Amino acid sequence: QSMLTQPPSASGTPGQRVTISCSGSSSNIGKNTVNWYQQLPGTAPRLLIYSNNQRPSGDPDRFSGSKSGTSASLAISGLQSEDEADYYCAAWDDSLNGHWVFGGGTKLTVL
Amino acid sequence: QVQLVESGGGLVKPGGSLRLSCAASGFTFTDYYMSWIRQAPGKGLEWVSYISDSSTFTNYADSVKGRFTISRDNAKNSVYLHMNSLRAEDTAVYYCARNDGYWGQGTLVTVSS
Repeated sequence: QSMLTQPPSASGTPGQRVTISCSGSSSNIGKNTVNWYQQLPGTAPRLLIYSNNQRPSGDPDRFSGSKSGTSASLAISGLQSEDEADYYCAAWDDSLNGHWVFGGGTKLTVL
Repeated sequence: QVQLVESGGGLVKPGGSLRLSCAASGFTFTDYYMSWIRQAPGKGLEWVSYISDSSTFTNYADSVKGRFTISRDNAKNSVYLHMNSLRAEDTAVYYCARNDGYWGQGTLVTVSS
C-alpha cells in the first residue's frame, strides 16, 4: 500500500505562519479529499481539517487546509507554543480495493 | 456528538488472539464505512482494515491479511477486529475510525511473551 509524503520536520517562532506539505498520487489525493490530524505528545491523533479545508466546529481558524492536484498543505498562522505536535495528512486511496494512506508525519517545533 | 470508544486491548503472547470492539454513538452508524487504524510505539499511522456500511465489502492491509477479521453489528452500533496469530510487530494502539475521518481514543495491544 502506498504512502503520502510529508517533510519529517518543520519549525517556526511564535506568531509566525508555517505550512506543511503533503504529496500523493492520482489514486489518492488526486481523486479524494484530504484530512489532517494533530497529535500532541502522549495523546491520540485529533482531526484538525477534513475534506481538504473544513474545520471541526469549535476549532480555531488559525489552522487552514488546501489541496491542488495531487498535493495538499496545512497552514498554521499565529503560531503558538501549544501547536508543537506531530501532524499527519491522510487520504482515501482507490487502488487495491480501497484503503487509507497516511503521510509519515511532520514534527512541528515552536522555537 | 460523534463518539467512538474502543475496548478489548491488552497484553497477549505471540500466537495468541484478541478481539477489539468499538462502540459508536452520536451519528447514524449504518451511513458509514468503518476502519481500524494502528500506531506502533513511536511510529506513524497504518491503516489496518475497513468494512462497508452493510458488511458487503471488507479489505485488509497486507501485513494483517489472513490473520485479522473485521466485522460489525449494526443493531449494536459496533465494529470489531478479530486478531489471530498475533506477532510482536502487531503491538500498537488501535484506533476505530469513521470513514470520513473521526477516530476514537484508541486501545493498546501489546504482543509479548
